[in-house]
Amino acid sequence: GENVEQHPSTLSVQEGDSAVIKCTYSDSASNYFPWYKQELGKRPQLIIDIRSNVGEKKDQRIAVTLNKTAKHFSLHITETQPEDSAVYFCAARAVNTDKLIFGTGTRLQVFP
Amino acid sequence: DGGITQSPKYLFRKEGQNVTLSCEQNLNHDAMYWYRQDPGQGLRLIYYSQIVNDFQKGDIAEGYSVSREKKESFPLTVTSAQKNPTAFYLCASSIEGRDSPLHFGNGTRLTVT
Repeated sequence: GENVEQHPSTLSVQEGDSAVIKCTYSDSASNYFPWYKQELGKRPQLIIDIRSNVGEKKDQRIAVTLNKTAKHFSLHITETQPEDSAVYFCAARAVNTDKLIFGTGTRLQVFP
Repeated sequence: DGGITQSPKYLFRKEGQNVTLSCEQNLNHDAMYWYRQDPGQGLRLIYYSQIVNDFQKGDIAEGYSVSREKKESFPLTVTSAQKNPTAFYLCASSIEGRDSPLHFGNGTRLTVT
């Protein structure tokens, strides 16, 4: 079955710097890759997703890149702000299943 | 809030007792999911259901049971067979389709002593 690895587990950056979180997946049949943000004490919420027919997707300060050959995808946050502080989860879903498998999460701290 | 309601927010039980966590959605979503969240382990899939009266085991189904008698409801029972039940439980739903994002409830924190 699918396995998703996420790195780093914690990430601290200065306000205004960029942050990058990386994930690798094992199932080459995976074709849908969402990213969720979970603020302290709250539910995870989708921030961006990408499908396997696209190599990059941007939404304001957030971007996701996908390398199907290497089976990895990354979340890029530019011009970080203190409100970006949260736990971020990547996930992957294979084309032949409805199961969404999550990575172990990255705790991002943005210091003012 | 968000169309998915989990209740209660906090739940305390004695070891050896079964406990049922409620999940209701008014989004008219076909698929519903239960995840368990533990520190450092991300979200692990317990059970999921794509349609009424049908459900499948996820990666950590042992010690849990579910039912899907109505489209809106997907309760999770944590049985006494679950060896380490204390955790944060998240319910989610999505429209049918493998590119559909999950919408999560606010979660239930279960503590078993």
